[in-house]
Amino acid sequence: SYELTQPPSVSVSPGQTASITCSGDKLGNKDVCWYQQKPGQSPVLVIYQDMKRPSGIPERFSGSNSGNTATLTISGTQAMDEADYYCQAWDSSTVVFGGGTKLTVL
Amino acid sequence: EVQLVESGGGLVQPGRSLRLSCAASGFTFDDYAMHWVRQAPGKGLEWVSGISWNSGGIVYADSVKGRFTISRDNAKNSLYLQMNSLRPEDTALYYCAKTDQVVAATPGAFEIWGQGTLVTVSS
Repeated sequence: SYELTQPPSVSVSPGQTASITCSGDKLGNKDVCWYQQKPGQSPVLVIYQDMKRPSGIPERFSGSNSGNTATLTISGTQAMDEADYYCQAWDSSTVVFGGGTKLTVL
Repeated sequence: EVQLVESGGGLVQPGRSLRLSCAASGFTFDDYAMHWVRQAPGKGLEWVSGISWNSGGIVYADSVKGRFTISRDNAKNSLYLQMNSLRPEDTALYYCAKTDQVVAATPGAFEIWGQGTLVTVSS
């Protein structure tokens, strides 16, 4: 079965750029979405189709996808961005989520 | 306001059944495929199942295939998940999610999520 691999944790200082990667076989050939989940809350879509932002998502969130790796980038990271982030893709008509990355802003 | 409200969770013994519901409002329900996604306590997201706008296309994760049945009633703006032969590993918060697609198996994003309903499978 298809797998998406994310680092368990990423740390970033306030105001700096955070990058969270998601790896999978030929992932660049698939559309990747990213979700943000804060403690006790439901996931929120922050990036879809690799790099598009839903309405209401700040411009500091951006995405890219090429080769075997998709990347979520948060520019000028704020304390409110501290959360778990999950990548997601489709393979053979099924949905696959990455294991999640805990972003710590310190 | 677009809203999804799940219900039906609870404590159930292994091997028993449970039916989850998801009430949708604020959008044209029968224009979109809908899905169930679960999250075990302290763990990541796991996709469970999806259903097309007209129930014509249904997909399941291997972990639930043959035990769970997804369905929808467009007249009631409702999504359902019938869970049979429950196992302790099915313990999770179950979310319903709206996609931006019409067909369940078409790659798309989960753009709206409910607040989840907790299912605990234990003796």
